Amino acid sequence: VELVESGGGVVQPGRSLRLSCEASGFTLSHYEMHWVRQAPGKGLEWVASISYDGRNRDYADSLKGRFTISRDNSQDTLYLQLNSLRAEDTAVYYCARDPGIVGSYYFDSWGQGTPVTVSS
Amino acid sequence: DIQMTQSPSSLSASVGDRVTITCRASQNISNHLNWYQQKPGKAPKLLIYAASNLQSEVPSRFSGSGSGTDFTLTISSLQPEDFASYYCQQGDSPLITFGQGTRLEIK
Repeated sequence: VELVESGGGVVQPGRSLRLSCEASGFTLSHYEMHWVRQAPGKGLEWVASISYDGRNRDYADSLKGRFTISRDNSQDTLYLQLNSLRAEDTAVYYCARDPGIVGSYYFDSWGQGTPVTVSS
Repeated sequence: DIQMTQSPSSLSASVGDRVTITCRASQNISNHLNWYQQKPGKAPKLLIYAASNLQSEVPSRFSGSGSGTDFTLTISSLQPEDFASYYCQQGDSPLITFGQGTRLEIK
């Protein structure tokens, strides 16, 4: 199992960025997937999740509709669109796989993370 | 949202010590509680899922217990590689939340 994020970088406040997470070693279409972020020196914060088929999505309340999670199972890739970026969105963004135990959510595999810095 | 309160926020211990970290949920989450270890500059690693199940290849000195609102992670005999940060995470609600973390340092 391998997850490789990309797309991070330095971006000005108010701009947008799209993160990607390429999966290998397993069939992406069988798994719910998540994004989790970690601001510098801070703890882990769940961002968003998407069901195996893309039909159901959930987001952290704090994002207020600025982020969109999506997936392309044919390309084995998960995405996170970040809009109207703010300084407080500066963080390392991780994608993570959910093993799909009914009635429970957790992360059994993680990518290495991609850093996003929002600064003018 | 379900709030997760982890304690202590930091802890100093010696190799060979037995260490316990606690996590309390703001409502009943059954056994939907998971524990992760994170080392500096690295991604988190799953240690325990469903409160007490040891993830594959995780050493048996790690154990978890609890149900409802109160949970514990125990390391029976600290090894040098165990000095890291630890996070609990509730998986009962699709709006997932983490504890604030415990930093385990060498005394």
